[in-house]
Amino acid sequence: AQKITQTQPGMFVQEKEAVTLDCTYDTSDPSYGLFWYKQPSSGEMIFLIYQGSYDQQNATEGRYSLNFQKARKSANLVISASQLGDSAMYFCAMRERRDSNYQLIWGAGTKLIIKP
Amino acid sequence: DAGVIQSPRHEVTEMGQEVTLRCKPISGHDYLFWYRQTMMRGLELLIYFNNNVPIDDSGMPEDRFSAKMPNASFSTLKIQPSEPRDSAVYFCASSPGGREQFFGPGTRLTVL
Repeated sequence: AQKITQTQPGMFVQEKEAVTLDCTYDTSDPSYGLFWYKQPSSGEMIFLIYQGSYDQQNATEGRYSLNFQKARKSANLVISASQLGDSAMYFCAMRERRDSNYQLIWGAGTKLIIKP
Repeated sequence: DAGVIQSPRHEVTEMGQEVTLRCKPISGHDYLFWYRQTMMRGLELLIYFNNNVPIDDSGMPEDRFSAKMPNASFSTLKIQPSEPRDSAVYFCASSPGGREQFFGPGTRLTVL
């Protein structure tokens, strides 16, 4: 079974609109973490935002916020006021503990294209 | 603050040749990860180290691949012999305490 699911392979969004990228996860580890990364066409992987499973409030970083719904096991990324530079692949990832070490599990990604 | 450094940035080699990819993690980070990314298979974790010790190498495709971390500031990923299907972008990432990972710029490997 997929542990991280990103159901949107691709999205087109008009510039300045808000964007929600979906991510659902599955884990039995009570102490997990959720991450979002951006990969522009230049290829680098850029860390955007982190949410811990025990964090009471949704994480925010500038225009990025994480809509964390623990009961639904979803961790959607919200980008407010989208810009042309937001066009990129976006990956959701989950950190869970395996034995005494951590493992990071990656989703397949969503390709976001911002239209002018 | 220097980020994760990878070398070379691009490598073109012929089938059968040995390839060595290098990584310098961010100072103070105790986790180091090697990934491979292709269009077909996406981002795959190959191996990761904690405090220089290999923890999980289940993602290493076969015996042709090996990775070492002789000290906290250096790691190598070696492919011997290389094959065309090894062509991919190889990323190294480091992490403090297993939390967010900081990626290097990647090495684009082409095996002819």
